[in-house]
Amino acid sequence: EAQVTQNPRYLITVTGKKLTVTCSQNMNHEYMSWYRQDPGLGLRQIYYSMNVEVTDKGDVPEGYKVSRKEKRNFPLILESPSPNQTSLYFCASSLSIQYEQYFGPGTRLTVT
Amino acid sequence: TQLLEQSPQFLSIQEGENLTVYCNSSSVFSSLQWYRQEPGEGPVLLVTVVTGGEVKKLKRLTFQFGDARKDSSLHITAAQPGDTGLYLCAGGRNYGQNFVFGPGTRLSVLP
Repeated sequence: EAQVTQNPRYLITVTGKKLTVTCSQNMNHEYMSWYRQDPGLGLRQIYYSMNVEVTDKGDVPEGYKVSRKEKRNFPLILESPSPNQTSLYFCASSLSIQYEQYFGPGTRLTVT
Repeated sequence: TQLLEQSPQFLSIQEGENLTVYCNSSSVFSSLQWYRQEPGEGPVLLVTVVTGGEVKKLKRLTFQFGDARKDSSLHITAAQPGDTGLYLCAGGRNYGQNFVFGPGTRLSVLP
């Protein structure tokens, strides 16, 4: 089954404790991205990757890092989480920028 | 400031009514996508439009891309409770390679 998986689905952590949210897709897609979704603001793109070892900033990259060492995986790293990073995070993948994006189920992160 | 604006933000209607939601921008987009998102899930694509003036129909849903590729509309005929959800538009930009999403229209169709 074609899918995008994210782990964990729910995470509560404390300020400053490094964390990684994993994302994996099994569709051999080149384009992957991370979004955060906040009430009234919609989905905002954090980082995207057009292929292995190619990543670029989206609209709200501050406080986040990503890597793309393999085509299928695109982890999101928060080196020192802060409460303003409490949000719902989605990973997405697609063949390329103009094609349908397939979204993961989301990760709800709370930073206290 | 939102690059893409959607209106209305919230819409509650009775089953069988028609409705239109709008997605507007001052920027030109190379393509525009509409997604529907249900609680606890990620967005799912409904349609992609790429040509100015393009109209696409998906059963009771009609999508239109503005002539100048700055705006789009989604019209639902005879809405049903199953249409309830958050409707998001997303624009692909001519420059760069990233998407921008609107804030969404939350639709509730009451039986």
